[in-house]
Amino acid sequence: AQSVTQLGSHVSVSEGALVLLRCNYSSSVPPYLFWYVQYPNQGLQLLLKYTSAATLVKGINGFEAEFKKSETSFHLTKPSAHMSDAAEYFCAVSDETGGYNKLIFGAGTRLAVHP
Amino acid sequence: DADVTQTPRNRITKTGKRIMLECSQTKGHDRMYWYRQDPGLGLRLIYYSFDVKDINKGEISDGYSVSRQAQAKFSLSLESAIPNQTALYFCATSERVNNEQFFGPGTRLTVL
Repeated sequence: AQSVTQLGSHVSVSEGALVLLRCNYSSSVPPYLFWYVQYPNQGLQLLLKYTSAATLVKGINGFEAEFKKSETSFHLTKPSAHMSDAAEYFCAVSDETGGYNKLIFGAGTRLAVHP
Repeated sequence: DADVTQTPRNRITKTGKRIMLECSQTKGHDRMYWYRQDPGLGLRLIYYSFDVKDINKGEISDGYSVSRQAQAKFSLSLESAIPNQTALYFCATSERVNNEQFFGPGTRLTVL
């Protein structure tokens, strides 16, 4: 079965600084990969997804992620953090164990943005 | 109007009570899921259903049951609630391809 590791449960950056949230997955076959964001008291919203097309994926709100097969990574970046980016971010990978296609989520990374 | 709705949004109950959480969707998706979210653990899959007659246990199904009343409705029940079932519960839907999931706003359940 697939698994997802998000390095760093909490990340803190200054407004305007680079945001880098790390995600590694376990798979020998390139899966579908997703980043979701959860704002306080809300459900999860899709930021971006990798579905075996371009390895650099652009999402909403200026976020992007690069699929690196050799590193089994799918790190999320944003060049310049904004206060409104403060949220919890989840990386997820598709899993087809048992013939059913499901998502496996990482534990999440809470991003804090300070002035 | 929201595509995926959950009721109630908040619920406080006592140990031993039976609780039902409801999920409805207007996206026309066949697939529906129930997750629970706990701090530091991310989202864990409780049950999933790929159509009305296809229901499967997820990673943490013990203590839970589900009912898929129609394509658009998927309910989660706690037969006898216990305090460690205190969590945030999410319903989600997806299409057959791509596996992108769409989430409801969540139900915050507290079991005293």
